[in-house]
Amino acid sequence: ETGVTQTPRHLVMGMTNKKSLKCEQHLGHNAMYWYKQSAKKPLELMFVYNFKEQTENNSVPSRFSPECPNSSHLFLHLHTLQPEDSALYLCASSQGNSGSSYNEQFFGPGTRLTVL
Amino acid sequence: TQLLEQSPQFLSIQEGENLTVYCNSSSVFSSLQWYRQEPGEGPVLLVTVVTGGEVKKLKRLTFQFGDARKDSSLHITAAQTGDTGLYLCAGDSTGTASKLTFGTGTRLQVTL
Repeated sequence: ETGVTQTPRHLVMGMTNKKSLKCEQHLGHNAMYWYKQSAKKPLELMFVYNFKEQTENNSVPSRFSPECPNSSHLFLHLHTLQPEDSALYLCASSQGNSGSSYNEQFFGPGTRLTVL
Repeated sequence: TQLLEQSPQFLSIQEGENLTVYCNSSSVFSSLQWYRQEPGEGPVLLVTVVTGGEVKKLKRLTFQFGDARKDSSLHITAAQTGDTGLYLCAGDSTGTASKLTFGTGTRLQVTL
Protein backbone atom coordinates (compact mmCIF):
# COMPACT_ATOMS: atom_id res chain seq x y z
CA GLU A 1 0.00 0.00 0.00
CA THR A 2 1.72 3.18 -1.21
CA GLY A 3 -0.88 5.72 -0.08
CA VAL A 4 -2.02 6.35 -3.64
CA THR A 5 -5.26 4.76 -4.82
CA GLN A 6 -6.68 4.56 -8.32
CA THR A 7 -10.11 3.62 -9.58
CA PRO A 8 -11.19 1.76 -11.53
CA ARG A 9 -8.44 -0.87 -11.72
CA HIS A 10 -9.70 -2.09 -15.08
CA LEU A 11 -11.72 -0.29 -17.75
CA VAL A 12 -12.96 -1.36 -21.15
CA MET A 13 -14.48 1.34 -23.32
CA GLY A 14 -15.56 1.91 -26.87
CA MET A 15 -14.12 4.69 -28.99
CA THR A 16 -17.25 6.82 -28.56
CA ASN A 17 -17.51 6.47 -24.78
CA LYS A 18 -16.63 9.07 -22.15
CA LYS A 19 -15.07 7.84 -18.95
CA SER A 20 -12.93 9.18 -16.12
CA LEU A 21 -10.04 7.77 -14.13
CA LYS A 22 -9.67 8.80 -10.51
CA CYS A 23 -6.59 9.07 -8.33
CA GLU A 24 -6.38 9.95 -4.65
CA GLN A 25 -3.28 10.34 -2.49
CA HIS A 26 -3.23 10.19 1.30
CA LEU A 27 0.38 11.31 1.74
CA GLY A 28 0.00 15.06 2.06
CA HIS A 29 1.92 15.57 -1.17
CA ASN A 30 1.64 18.67 -3.33
CA ALA A 31 2.48 17.28 -6.77
CA MET A 32 0.54 14.72 -8.76
CA TYR A 33 1.26 13.05 -12.08
CA TRP A 34 -0.36 10.99 -14.81
CA TYR A 35 1.79 8.47 -16.68
CA LYS A 36 1.05 6.10 -19.55
CA GLN A 37 2.75 2.71 -19.62
CA SER A 38 2.56 0.70 -22.84
CA ALA A 39 4.27 -2.54 -23.69
CA LYS A 40 7.75 -2.06 -25.10
CA LYS A 41 7.83 1.68 -24.31
CA PRO A 42 9.36 3.57 -21.40
CA LEU A 43 7.02 5.10 -18.89
CA GLU A 44 5.61 8.25 -20.53
CA LEU A 45 4.82 11.33 -18.45
CA MET A 46 1.50 12.89 -19.49
CA PHE A 47 0.66 15.65 -17.01
CA VAL A 48 2.10 17.23 -13.87
CA TYR A 49 0.16 19.23 -11.30
CA ASN A 50 1.93 21.17 -8.58
CA PHE A 51 -0.23 22.77 -5.90
CA LYS A 52 -3.29 22.14 -8.15
CA GLU A 53 -1.76 24.04 -11.07
CA GLN A 54 -0.84 22.18 -14.25
CA THR A 55 2.89 22.62 -14.80
CA GLU A 56 3.48 20.07 -17.52
CA ASN A 57 1.53 18.81 -20.51
CA ASN A 58 3.77 16.47 -22.43
CA SER A 59 2.11 17.01 -25.85
CA VAL A 60 -0.83 14.85 -24.87
CA PRO A 61 -3.78 14.67 -27.33
CA SER A 62 -6.84 16.65 -26.27
CA ARG A 63 -8.91 13.48 -25.97
CA PHE A 64 -7.19 13.19 -22.57
CA SER A 65 -8.29 15.94 -20.20
CA PRO A 66 -6.86 16.14 -16.67
CA GLU A 67 -8.48 17.78 -13.69
CA CYS A 68 -6.99 18.50 -10.27
CA PRO A 69 -9.60 19.95 -7.90
CA ASN A 70 -7.25 19.83 -4.89
CA SER A 71 -3.81 18.50 -3.97
CA SER A 72 -5.21 15.10 -3.00
CA HIS A 73 -7.29 14.28 -6.05
CA LEU A 74 -6.50 13.93 -9.72
CA PHE A 75 -8.77 12.89 -12.56
CA LEU A 76 -8.17 11.95 -16.17
CA HIS A 77 -11.21 12.43 -18.36
CA LEU A 78 -11.28 10.31 -21.50
CA HIS A 79 -13.34 10.77 -24.66
CA THR A 80 -13.19 9.46 -28.23
CA LEU A 81 -10.12 7.38 -27.50
CA GLN A 82 -8.34 5.22 -30.04
CA PRO A 83 -7.34 1.55 -29.71
CA GLU A 84 -3.67 2.63 -29.47
CA ASP A 85 -4.56 4.44 -26.23
CA SER A 86 -4.95 1.06 -24.55
CA ALA A 87 -2.35 0.95 -21.80
CA LEU A 88 -1.77 1.03 -18.05
CA TYR A 89 -2.41 4.53 -16.73
CA LEU A 90 -0.48 5.29 -13.58
CA CYS A 91 -0.97 8.10 -11.12
CA ALA A 92 1.82 9.24 -8.84
CA SER A 93 2.42 11.87 -6.20
CA SER A 94 5.47 13.53 -4.70
CA GLN A 95 6.31 16.19 -2.15
CA GLY A 96 6.43 18.92 -4.77
CA ASN A 97 8.46 22.11 -4.63
CA SER A 98 9.37 21.72 -0.97
CA GLY A 99 13.03 22.43 -1.59
CA SER A 100 14.20 19.33 0.22
CA SER A 101 12.62 16.64 -1.92
CA TYR A 102 14.43 14.48 -4.43
CA ASN A 103 11.16 14.20 -6.35
CA GLU A 104 10.63 10.67 -5.10
CA GLN A 105 7.36 9.48 -6.52
CA PHE A 106 4.76 7.19 -5.03
CA PHE A 107 2.64 5.36 -7.57
CA GLY A 108 -0.85 3.99 -7.49
CA PRO A 109 -1.60 0.48 -8.81
CA GLY A 110 -2.77 1.84 -12.16
CA THR A 111 -5.86 1.51 -14.33
CA ARG A 112 -5.62 -1.04 -17.13
CA LEU A 113 -7.49 0.59 -20.00
CA THR A 114 -8.65 -1.27 -23.10
CA VAL A 115 -10.19 0.71 -25.96
CA LEU A 116 -12.21 -1.36 -28.40
CA THR B 1 15.55 15.03 -24.98
CA GLN B 2 17.08 13.11 -22.10
CA LEU B 3 17.26 9.35 -22.50
CA LEU B 4 18.05 6.67 -19.98
CA GLU B 5 19.02 3.36 -21.54
CA GLN B 6 18.86 0.27 -19.39
CA SER B 7 20.58 -3.00 -20.08
CA PRO B 8 19.84 -5.75 -20.35
CA GLN B 9 16.21 -5.42 -21.41
CA PHE B 10 15.38 -8.92 -20.25
CA LEU B 11 17.13 -11.23 -17.84
CA SER B 12 16.13 -14.74 -16.84
CA ILE B 13 18.22 -16.37 -14.13
CA GLN B 14 17.98 -19.07 -11.50
CA GLU B 15 17.69 -18.48 -7.81
CA GLY B 16 21.06 -17.93 -6.16
CA GLU B 17 22.70 -16.23 -9.14
CA ASN B 18 24.07 -12.71 -9.11
CA LEU B 19 23.17 -10.04 -11.64
CA THR B 20 23.82 -6.42 -12.55
CA VAL B 21 21.49 -4.01 -14.30
CA TYR B 22 22.85 -0.85 -15.91
CA CYS B 23 21.29 2.54 -16.45
CA ASN B 24 23.15 4.90 -18.78
CA SER B 25 22.66 8.40 -20.09
CA SER B 26 24.62 11.21 -21.69
CA SER B 27 22.86 13.68 -19.37
CA VAL B 28 23.79 14.65 -15.84
CA PHE B 29 21.19 14.08 -13.14
CA SER B 30 20.93 15.71 -9.74
CA SER B 31 19.60 12.44 -8.36
CA LEU B 32 18.68 9.03 -9.63
CA GLN B 33 16.05 6.65 -8.37
CA TRP B 34 15.44 2.94 -8.80
CA TYR B 35 11.95 1.45 -8.78
CA ARG B 36 10.64 -2.12 -8.98
CA GLN B 37 7.28 -2.87 -10.55
CA GLU B 38 5.46 -6.15 -10.12
CA PRO B 39 2.72 -7.32 -12.50
CA GLY B 40 -0.56 -5.50 -11.96
CA GLU B 41 0.98 -2.89 -9.69
CA GLY B 42 2.65 0.50 -9.94
CA PRO B 43 6.39 1.04 -9.53
CA VAL B 44 7.67 1.09 -5.95
CA LEU B 45 10.65 3.23 -5.00
CA LEU B 46 13.68 1.22 -3.88
CA VAL B 47 16.36 3.86 -3.42
CA THR B 48 17.52 7.37 -4.32
CA VAL B 49 21.18 8.15 -4.98
CA VAL B 50 22.34 11.73 -4.99
CA THR B 51 26.12 12.06 -4.80
CA GLY B 52 28.47 11.03 -7.60
CA GLY B 53 30.15 7.75 -6.67
CA GLU B 54 27.59 7.02 -3.97
CA VAL B 55 26.91 3.39 -3.08
CA LYS B 56 23.77 2.33 -1.22
CA LYS B 57 22.85 -1.13 -0.01
CA LEU B 58 19.40 -2.49 0.57
CA LYS B 59 19.81 -6.05 1.88
CA ARG B 60 20.99 -8.03 -1.19
CA LEU B 61 20.66 -5.05 -3.53
CA THR B 62 23.58 -2.66 -4.11
CA PHE B 63 23.05 0.59 -5.98
CA GLN B 64 25.81 2.78 -7.35
CA PHE B 65 25.69 6.26 -8.85
CA GLY B 66 28.41 7.05 -11.38
CA ASP B 67 31.06 9.62 -10.51
CA ALA B 68 29.77 11.96 -13.21
CA ARG B 69 26.14 11.36 -12.19
CA LYS B 70 25.22 10.15 -15.67
CA ASP B 71 24.85 6.45 -14.98
CA SER B 72 23.94 3.97 -12.29
CA SER B 73 23.97 0.25 -11.63
CA LEU B 74 21.96 -2.16 -9.55
CA HIS B 75 23.59 -5.37 -8.40
CA ILE B 76 21.58 -8.19 -6.86
CA THR B 77 23.41 -10.88 -4.91
CA ALA B 78 21.91 -14.37 -4.62
CA ALA B 79 18.70 -13.53 -6.44
CA GLN B 80 15.42 -14.87 -5.10
CA THR B 81 12.11 -15.49 -6.86
CA GLY B 82 10.71 -12.51 -4.99
CA ASP B 83 13.12 -10.26 -6.93
CA THR B 84 11.16 -10.94 -10.11
CA GLY B 85 9.79 -7.77 -11.66
CA LEU B 86 10.44 -4.77 -13.88
CA TYR B 87 13.30 -2.60 -12.67
CA LEU B 88 13.18 1.06 -13.66
CA CYS B 89 15.75 3.77 -13.15
CA ALA B 90 14.62 7.39 -13.19
CA GLY B 91 16.71 10.53 -13.35
CA ASP B 92 15.82 13.91 -11.93
CA SER B 93 17.68 16.72 -13.64
CA THR B 94 16.14 19.65 -11.84
CA GLY B 95 15.74 18.61 -8.20
CA THR B 96 12.31 20.20 -8.06
CA ALA B 97 8.79 18.87 -8.51
CA SER B 98 9.30 18.50 -12.20
CA LYS B 99 9.48 15.49 -14.38
CA LEU B 100 11.57 12.40 -13.90
CA THR B 101 13.08 10.74 -16.94
CA PHE B 102 12.39 7.03 -16.73
CA GLY B 103 14.65 4.38 -18.19
CA THR B 104 13.65 1.77 -20.72
CA GLY B 105 13.32 -0.89 -18.01
CA THR B 106 14.85 -4.29 -17.26
CA ARG B 107 12.50 -7.21 -16.87
CA LEU B 108 13.94 -9.77 -14.44
CA GLN B 109 12.65 -13.31 -14.08
CA VAL B 110 14.10 -15.42 -11.28
CA THR B 111 13.18 -19.11 -11.30
CA LEU B 112 13.79 -21.96 -8.89
